[in-house]
Amino acid sequence: DTAVSQTPKYLVTQMGNDKSIKCEQNLGHDTMYWYKQDSKKFLKIMFSYNNKELIINETVPNRFSPKSPDKAHLNLHINSLELGDSAVYFCASSQKKVPYEQYFGPGTRLTVT
Amino acid sequence: AQRVTQPEKLLSVFKGAPVELKCNYSYSGSPELFWYVQYSRQRLQLLLRHISRESIKGFTADLNKGETSFHLKKPFAQEEDSAMYYCASANAGGTSYGKLTFGQGTILTVHP
Repeated sequence: DTAVSQTPKYLVTQMGNDKSIKCEQNLGHDTMYWYKQDSKKFLKIMFSYNNKELIINETVPNRFSPKSPDKAHLNLHINSLELGDSAVYFCASSQKKVPYEQYFGPGTRLTVT
Repeated sequence: AQRVTQPEKLLSVFKGAPVELKCNYSYSGSPELFWYVQYSRQRLQLLLRHISRESIKGFTADLNKGETSFHLKKPFAQEEDSAMYYCASANAGGTSYGKLTFGQGTILTVHP
């Protein structure tokens, strides 16, 4: 009965490749987020979607494209991967009425070689 | 832009000692402040929020607008408190609905 799940847990790939990370939540939340945690553990929001609509889009290279097929899923596609993309990516979700009580996934550790 | 600073990357205390994790924020509008915690092999989760004014697991945090601080305190630390703690802010009522700005995090280690 995992609340927020991400796949894969680990992803190792070469520069220039395109990859996707999937996120699913079964909490009935209508808002989902993607965060990036760098090597210094600094956690920064990238995107958020509310009912499949993009509502937060931080200064992120356009190689990163989120896609929300429905309100329970928010996937992150990354084109032309670069070394600096190596990080842990966290998905999170929340109810619209309590947006700051966010439930996080386990994270996906992306390593670009 | 919102900014959250946690000056201590690492903090070590002994069991039973008081602990204070520092957090300062930059003022912008009407901020809401939060503490999130990540225990070993667990997910990041909300610990407490300033508007609730509650004590969770013995931790409290008071918003000091004069000093723009939101320090997390516990009078007697326990070994199970060892974790990574993130302070976060949000601009209540702002256009960036749901946007949390996190500090750099503090790793708390409570020694037996």
